[in-house]
Amino acid sequence: EAGVAQSPRYKIIEKRQSVAFWCNPISGHATLYWYQQILGQGPKLLIQFQNNGVVDDSQLPKDRFSAERLKGVDSTLKIQPAKLEDSAVYLCASSLGSATLYGYTFGSGTRLTVV
Amino acid sequence: GENVEQHPSTLSVQEGDSAVIKCTYSDSASNYFPWYKQELGKRPQLIIDIRSNVGEKKDQRIAVTLNKTAKHFSLHITETQPEDSAVYFCAAYYNTDKLIFGTGTRLQVFP
Repeated sequence: EAGVAQSPRYKIIEKRQSVAFWCNPISGHATLYWYQQILGQGPKLLIQFQNNGVVDDSQLPKDRFSAERLKGVDSTLKIQPAKLEDSAVYLCASSLGSATLYGYTFGSGTRLTVV
Repeated sequence: GENVEQHPSTLSVQEGDSAVIKCTYSDSASNYFPWYKQELGKRPQLIIDIRSNVGEKKDQRIAVTLNKTAKHFSLHITETQPEDSAVYFCAAYYNTDKLIFGTGTRLQVFP
């Protein structure tokens, strides 16, 4: 089966600019997650979708980050305006259902550098 | 709160030796504990997981143990090889169907 697709792989922007990342989960996976992984740290959950509804966005900095999952398939994560501390790898993951039963599959990530 | 602590942050071993990485979690309701290996510039890959109804699980050179009473779980790698060098993350499942990750352990295996 195809994996979780993410694009772009790399992005360099100046602070205060906007950026958007795209994720296409594995076909049929109802649950989609966006994680932020700062260099040297573990992945930190930003937002979790179940189909097209938000389950948990408690760690999403809503003043600058937004995410949507229209039609319950693809998802986009946007940062506007970006700050230097947003430099990180943004990982998308999807799951068929319960993570305990099916586990996660991660995409390759988007490496964002804010200068 | 939802928290997973992981130790050590770095671990250097000689090829052939064993490596142990330990994690603790905060929510007694957690029942699923995966371990991920992440090589430089690559995505995290699931290497082994354990559920709360078992105390130990083994897969060739890697094993994971779980102590639910103490809320500890550990990854054991025996007969380490240079290709085991990577960053390892533990994670714990929380009841909104999400994984919370530890801070990672950078393992270096020297030939």
